[in-house]
Amino acid sequence: SQQGEEDPQALSIQEGENATMNCSYKTSINNLQWYRQNSGRGLVHLILIRSNEREKHSGRLRVTLDTSKKSSSLLITASRAADTASYFCALMNSGYSTLTFGKGTMLLVSP
Amino acid sequence: EAQVTQNPRYLITVTGKKLTVTCSQNMNHEYMSWYRQDPGLGLRQIYYSMNVEVTDKGDVPEGYKVSRKEKRNFPLILESPSPNQTSLYFCASSSLGGRVYNEQFFGPGTRLTVL
Repeated sequence: SQQGEEDPQALSIQEGENATMNCSYKTSINNLQWYRQNSGRGLVHLILIRSNEREKHSGRLRVTLDTSKKSSSLLITASRAADTASYFCALMNSGYSTLTFGKGTMLLVSP
Repeated sequence: EAQVTQNPRYLITVTGKKLTVTCSQNMNHEYMSWYRQDPGLGLRQIYYSMNVEVTDKGDVPEGYKVSRKEKRNFPLILESPSPNQTSLYFCASSSLGGRVYNEQFFGPGTRLTVL
């Protein structure tokens, strides 16, 4: 099954700045989800965007999806030190059977 | 509290000694899945289950077995563990919500070391 590719692999910013992470994929999807993982812990779901949606918001999170370019971006506005974590995009295949995760972007937000 | 629980959280074992990692969810979810997470490789799916008595292979099923006899439980069995199965394992569950999958809820992880 296909795997999303996040970019960049690592991102270091200051508190208050915005953080943007991208995810690209190769074949059609049903939906794309973003998850967050604090070091060594379980993943926590952040937001889901369906293939027929272009943009979704949740608090300080904004996700876009461009199915023609097969890419998605996650924007975290006004970042905080507590946002330090790894962020993964996950692709739900069109057969609704598997969710495939990318390798993640490590975000470090310095106070 | 809605949650996915895994046991044990940490396990050190030796090659060839059969082990089982349990997973249980209290959300009445139909879908359950096992992943392993390795540095540089991200999360890879081992097995998944769409409902009771229905299981399917993920991307890396070799060396693992699963069963789904009850809706809430989805144990992962390593019949003869090998050092290359040293990894961080996550169980996850999800409601099916019709034909569109919702978010997956993850357990806290099981760190397995095979010597």
